[in-house]
Order: sequence, then structure tokens, then C-alpha cells
Amino acid sequence: DIVVTQSPDSLAVSLGEKATINCRSSQSVLHSSTSKNHLAWFQQKPGQPPKLLIYWSSTRESGVPDRFSGSGSGTDFTLSISSLQAEDVAVYYCQQYYSPPYSFGQGTRLEIK
Amino acid sequence: QVQLQQSGPGLVKPSQTLSLTCAISGDSVSSNVAAWHWIRQSPSRGLEWLGRTYSTSKWYNDYAVSVKSRITINPDTSKNQFSLHLNSVTPEDTAVYYCAREKGQKLLYWGQGILVTVSS
Repeated sequence: DIVVTQSPDSLAVSLGEKATINCRSSQSVLHSSTSKNHLAWFQQKPGQPPKLLIYWSSTRESGVPDRFSGSGSGTDFTLSISSLQAEDVAVYYCQQYYSPPYSFGQGTRLEIK
Repeated sequence: QVQLQQSGPGLVKPSQTLSLTCAISGDSVSSNVAAWHWIRQSPSRGLEWLGRTYSTSKWYNDYAVSVKSRITINPDTSKNQFSLHLNSVTPEDTAVYYCAREKGQKLLYWGQGILVTVSS
């Protein structure tokens, strides 16, 4: 099974500043048949299900603000929020969908400094 | 617009079977371009993918190793829904359970979540 690990566990960033969350998979999630990284990012706010932000490691879902971006390939990935807004306070998860079981990272709690 | 409506008991006794249903609107459980997932979340285990069911020419299932001996995910084409059955539950199975749709390899639509507590 692929293990997905995020860092840091929590992060405090000032409004308007950049936030960066890292995700590492125990094996490559770059699929040879698609040439795509099977890695997604989710945002979860209290009492809500996770919301898809990014898929294929860097493709923003429709309606997601462009301050959110994903990068990386193979085993190392990053979610960046270019200018933190108050509504971005949440827990963020990465998930690999290269092969079942589709494992999630442990989550990164993002707060305002 | 796809909507997933979850239903089922919020309290299950230890050793019994946890059963939840996810009713689908705006799509078909029989779609050959979608898969239907169950995921749970607890403070101790975080987000844990449990399994999925999907149809191409026949029905397939994938399950997490951690629950493989205890889990069944079934489609119900007559009611356009799918279900989760987890038997021999313990307090460790206490969690918020979510259903979700995968299409184009995106888990875009999720149910509202149901807190299931395992307790006598």
C-alpha cells in the first residue's frame, strides 16, 4: 500500500502571506499510461466533507480560486496558497489515487497567525 | 447536479453490523464512467478510504486491507444507491462515514457524512 505523509501537521500564516503544505508518497504516483500524477488535494472545514481543490497534482478544480496551486511529481508534492485569506482556515489533505487503497495524508491544519 | 444522500443508524452495538446507504441523484450507480466510494474519518485514524464499487461490463469492488475481511459494498440499481456493510464492529469503527462519487478520477461529490458510534 502507498503511504502518504504530509508536513507540517499544523501551520500558522499571516493574512496575505503564502502558505505551503508538503505531501510525500511512499512510491511514485506518476502513472506511465497517463503521464499524470495521481495526487489530489482537499480542503475540509468543520462539519463539512472534504472539498476537492486540485487533481492530477496541479489541475485546479472549477471554481477554486487561483491563489491555490499544486506542484510536484513522482513522490513529492506541494500545495501553495499564494495570499492567505481568512476563509482558507481549514484542514488540508492530500490523497493518492494511483492504486487502491486510495490513501490520504494525515492532514495539515492551517490557521491565521 | 449530483447529490449523495446518506442514511443509516447513528448507533451500533459492538459485534453487530454497521449498515449505511448512499442514495444517488443526478447520476446512475450503473454508470460505466463512475465509481462509488466509502470513506470514514475519526480523530485517531484521520481520513480512511474503505472501498469502492464500480461497473464496466460487470461489477467490481476494491477494499482497504484493514477492513477487507469485514466489509461489503453493494450497488442497488433498482433504487440507484449503494450501501456499506461492516460487520463485527468495535469501538474503533466509531467515525464519520462518507460516501463519494469518483468520475474522471476526481472525488468531487461527497455525501453529508454520518457519525456512527459503536457502543453498547
